[in-house]
Amino acid sequence: ILNVEQSPQSLHVQEGDSTNFTCSFPSSNFYALHWYRWETAKSPEALFVMTLNGDEKKKGRISATLNTKEGYSYLYIKGSQPEDSATYLCARKAAGNKLTFGGGTRVLVKP
Amino acid sequence: GAGVSQSPRYKVAKRGQDVALRCDPISGHVSLFWYQQALGQGPEFLTYFQNEAQLDKSGLPSDRFFAERPEGSVSTLKIQRTQQEDSAVYLCASSLLDRGNRNQPQHFGDGTRLSIL
Repeated sequence: ILNVEQSPQSLHVQEGDSTNFTCSFPSSNFYALHWYRWETAKSPEALFVMTLNGDEKKKGRISATLNTKEGYSYLYIKGSQPEDSATYLCARKAAGNKLTFGGGTRVLVKP
Repeated sequence: GAGVSQSPRYKVAKRGQDVALRCDPISGHVSLFWYQQALGQGPEFLTYFQNEAQLDKSGLPSDRFFAERPEGSVSTLKIQRTQQEDSAVYLCASSLLDRGNRNQPQHFGDGTRLSIL
């Protein structure tokens, strides 16, 4: 993996269903992995910053896991609600502070 | 307000004009970043300031792009002789300095949507 990649690009989820999606990133020179939620017409909102292999973080119905050795992170949404509709961005941080973002996963929760 | 503030929210300019985009970071945030987001893509890094020092400008696409943060607070991103490919959302973010603590998130503004006609 040379770049940060997210899959799928978009997904539709029925309200109440759970879902998950993937962020893949170069495992070398790894510093941290960020997840953001970006709702239309708003600013990206920080969800998690993860640094350690095996990290798991949770915020309400949203959780994330991190595997730094193989270079991937999963984001899970449990019991999706319409307000979860947003673009979810992951970003890898190497030494030097800048974030390298994936293209995002656009989630649409249908009532 | 307590968040990152960007202005204007929307900017329309004719090709060849100069534009200036402003970012007011969260008070006390040492680090300031500019990103460019083209339609359908993730944000791409442009430049990074630590206080007034521009430590990384490797993402600026050409010498038409210039950023400054003269007093270590407000920052301006200037684009000279705009081209259509400059049309994008420009995001500013600020954060506390990572002092061996890797867990500092970046706090983003709402962005400036720039359209070049």
